[in-house]
Amino acid sequence: AQTVTQSQPEMSVQEAETVTLSCTYDTSESDYYLFWYKQPPSRQMILVIRQEAYKQQNATENRFSVNFQKAAKSFSLKISDSQLGDAAMYFCAYRSSPINFGNEKLTFGTGTRLTIIP
Amino acid sequence: DVKVTQSSRYLVKRTGEKVFLECVQDMDHENMFWYRQDPGLGLRLIYFSYDVKMKEKGDIPEGYSVSREKKERFSLILESASTNQTSMYLCASRPPWGQGRSPLHFGNGTRLTVT
Repeated sequence: AQTVTQSQPEMSVQEAETVTLSCTYDTSESDYYLFWYKQPPSRQMILVIRQEAYKQQNATENRFSVNFQKAAKSFSLKISDSQLGDAAMYFCAYRSSPINFGNEKLTFGTGTRLTIIP
Repeated sequence: DVKVTQSSRYLVKRTGEKVFLECVQDMDHENMFWYRQDPGLGLRLIYFSYDVKMKEKGDIPEGYSVSREKKERFSLILESASTNQTSMYLCASRPPWGQGRSPLHFGNGTRLTVT
């Protein structure tokens, strides 16, 4: 079974600075998807960024980018120019390739609570 | 935009009660999920469904059942609520399995307290 580990329960960063959230995972599969989700105080889980394992290029979405190291099974999230609205719980998640029918579930890490210091 | 609606934001129930948590999505998604969120444990999958009347157990199905009579609605049932089921429950949906990169769309969660 796949596991996802987020070793930083809490992080804080000064507004406008850069912060990196760590995520490692364990799998024997070669094809899969990785996601970062954000959960603000409103509790609405929002997709931040996704990465397909077969793509070598790191995904980027505006101020959010990932460092995907497939061999090391590492998938960190970098937030540049941190803003107050970035304060939230961040979850890393893993999903098997859709070729494995029925393997629909997302496996989540335990989350990292990010605080933005004004 | 996809809308996933959970019928209650907060719910307080007594031990032994039968509890229904309702979830409705408006995007004709085949796949629907129920997760439980607890501090320090992240999100854990209870059940999911990939079609009407179809269901699959997730990682922690014990004490729960589900119902999917219509495509847009996925209900989580606690047959006899217990205090260890006090938690945040999140419903989610996504397009068919072939679109693997499609993310989950979540509801706003139901915080259930069992006393």
